[in-house]
Amino acid sequence: GENVEQHPSTLSVQEGDSAVIKCTYSDSASNYFPWYKQELGKRPQLIIDIRSNVGEKKDQRIAVTLNKTAKHFSLHITETQPEDSAVYFCAATPSGGSYIPTFGRGTSLIVHP
Amino acid sequence: NAGVTQTPKFRVLKTGQSMTLLCAQDMNHEYMYWYRQDPGMGLRLIHYSVGEGTTAKGEVPDGYNVSRLKKQNFLLGLESAAPSQTSVYFCASRLDTVYNEQFFGPGTRLTVL
Repeated sequence: GENVEQHPSTLSVQEGDSAVIKCTYSDSASNYFPWYKQELGKRPQLIIDIRSNVGEKKDQRIAVTLNKTAKHFSLHITETQPEDSAVYFCAATPSGGSYIPTFGRGTSLIVHP
Repeated sequence: NAGVTQTPKFRVLKTGQSMTLLCAQDMNHEYMYWYRQDPGMGLRLIHYSVGEGTTAKGEVPDGYNVSRLKKQNFLLGLESAAPSQTSVYFCASRLDTVYNEQFFGPGTRLTVL
């Protein structure tokens, strides 16, 4: 089955800095890679996703890059703000079977004012 | 449009007691999932369903049962609760293709004493 590794587990930055979270996956059949943000005590919510036929996708201050050859993808947040503080999860979803996503263990991002 | 809802929000059980968690969605989604979230472990899939009347085991199914008698509802049962089942439980739903977003419910915090 799919295995998703996510690093780092904790990331502490100053407001205005950039933050990068990296994930690797093992199943070459995975072709959809969503990122979820979970604020304390809340539900995970999708913030950005990327399909396997795309190398990069941006949405304002967040971007995701995908390297299918190396089987890794990354979340980039620029100009971080205190409200970006949350746990971020990456996931890899295979194209076959029941499309069950495998999640990374999460990264706790702390943005200091 | 309520999205994905879960009842109850909180519950405390004694070891050996049973209970049922209810997940409901009003988006006509085919796929529904039950996850548990424990500190540092990310989201682990318990059971899932790809349509009304179907269920399948996920990564950590032991001690849980599920049913999907109606398309909009997905029930998670604990027949004999154990302290190891203390966790936050999230339900999620999704349309029926690989590229669709998962929508999560607000979660149920369960404590087993």
